[in-house]
Amino acid sequence: ILNVEQSPQSLHVQEGDSTNFTCSFPSSNFYALHWYRWETAKSPEALFVMTLNGDEKKKGRISATLNTKEGYSYLYIKGSQPEDSATYLCAFSGGGADGLTFGKGTHLIIQP
Amino acid sequence: DARVTQTPRHKVTEMGQEVTMRCQPILGHNTVFWYRQTMMQGLELLAYFRNRAPLDDSGMPKDRFSAEMPDATLATLKIQPSEPRDSAVYFCASGSTGLTEAFFGQGTRLTVV
Repeated sequence: ILNVEQSPQSLHVQEGDSTNFTCSFPSSNFYALHWYRWETAKSPEALFVMTLNGDEKKKGRISATLNTKEGYSYLYIKGSQPEDSATYLCAFSGGGADGLTFGKGTHLIIQP
Repeated sequence: DARVTQTPRHKVTEMGQEVTMRCQPILGHNTVFWYRQTMMQGLELLAYFRNRAPLDDSGMPKDRFSAEMPDATLATLKIQPSEPRDSAVYFCASGSTGLTEAFFGQGTRLTVV
C-alpha cells in the first residue's frame, strides 16, 4: 500500500495572505506527482502534473515544487482569495499498475 | 469538449438492492479509474483498468463490488447487494498511457437507506 500524506489536514487563511501545504510520497519508483483542486459538489480539477526532480510549476497565483529524492511537493498560494477555498489533493503515480494514489487532501478556507 | 461522463449523477436505493454506475471515458483514453470519496477515508482507489483489462481492484470489496469494461467506451461499477456503508460519491477518471493527466467525471452520489 503506497503512503501519500498531506499536511495540514485543514487550514484557515486570511484573505490576502500567502500559504503553502505539503504532500509527501514514496521516494522510490517515482513517475509523476499530480495536484488537484476540488471544490465542493464538483469533480477534482487538475492543477499540475510534475515529473522531474526540482520541477517548479506555476498557474496564476498558485505554484508547486517537487523533490523526488526526499519525496515531497509543496503547493503555494500567493495572496489568497475567497475563490481559492477548496480541498487540494495530491496524487502519486509510480507508473506500472499502481494507478494514482491520492492523499486525503488539505482543506483550505480563505476568510474575508 | 471532451469529458468523462458518469451516470446516474444521484442514486438513492434501499439496502440489498443492486446498484450499477456507469462511466464513459474520454475518447482515446486507455486507462480508467474508479474512486470512492467518503468523509472518513477521502479518495480511495477501487479499481484500475488499462486497455479494458483490470490491473488493480484490490481496493474493492470483492464480495459485493464488481467492475467491468465491456468495451472501450463504457466502464461499469456494480454493487450487489448494496449496504448503507456504501453511501459515498463514486468518481470515474480516465487518462492515457503514461498518466500525464487524469480527468475526473462529476461523480455519482449514492445513498443506500
